[in-house]
Amino acid sequence: GDSVTQTEGQVALSEEDFLTIHCNYSASGYPTLFWYVQYPGEGPQLLFRASRDKEKGSSRGFEATYDKGTTSFHLRKASVQESDSAVYYCALSAGNNNAGAKLTFGGGTRLTVRP
Amino acid sequence: GGIITQTPKFLIGQEGQKLTLKCQQNFNHDTMYWYRQDSGKGLRLIYYSITENDLQKGDLSEGYDASREKKSSFSLTVTSAQKNEMAVFLCASSMTKSQNTLYFGAGTRLSVL
Repeated sequence: GDSVTQTEGQVALSEEDFLTIHCNYSASGYPTLFWYVQYPGEGPQLLFRASRDKEKGSSRGFEATYDKGTTSFHLRKASVQESDSAVYYCALSAGNNNAGAKLTFGGGTRLTVRP
Repeated sequence: GGIITQTPKFLIGQEGQKLTLKCQQNFNHDTMYWYRQDSGKGLRLIYYSITENDLQKGDLSEGYDASREKKSSFSLTVTSAQKNEMAVFLCASSMTKSQNTLYFGAGTRLSVL
């Protein structure tokens, strides 16, 4: 079945550091890829998505590029802020419209940014 | 805009008890979902409903029942709570079955004594 692997379970950085969270996927067909962010006490919310090879998704300074060759969708930000502290989830939708828009999520990465 | 409301926010149960979690959405979305969130395991799909009166099992449906009473509401029942179980249950909705942006509620946190 489909799967998403996030390498880092926890990341601790200082403000203005560069962030990378690695995401690799396994899926049949041509999935849509997502990054969701979850702040304390809230549900996950969509950060951005990408649907085709080499497409870059971006929002709030975060970005990721769909790479079908390496089956990756790594999240990056050039300069993190304390307010970016949250849990980040990589996810995929298999693209089978008959299956509903159900997403397969990675294990999540907890980002803590020190002031 | 819209909102997804999950009740209760916190639920404490006893081993073997049947527990019901409720979810309401005012997006007028067709499709609704229940996910279970465990630390380090991400979100795993329990049940989803493409439209009113439809039910589809997810990867983690054993031990759970669900009911889509009307378009705006979707409930989840833990059929027999397991001792020391702790998890967050997240409800979500999407516009249609093929519109794959999900909107989540804030969750119900379950603790079983």
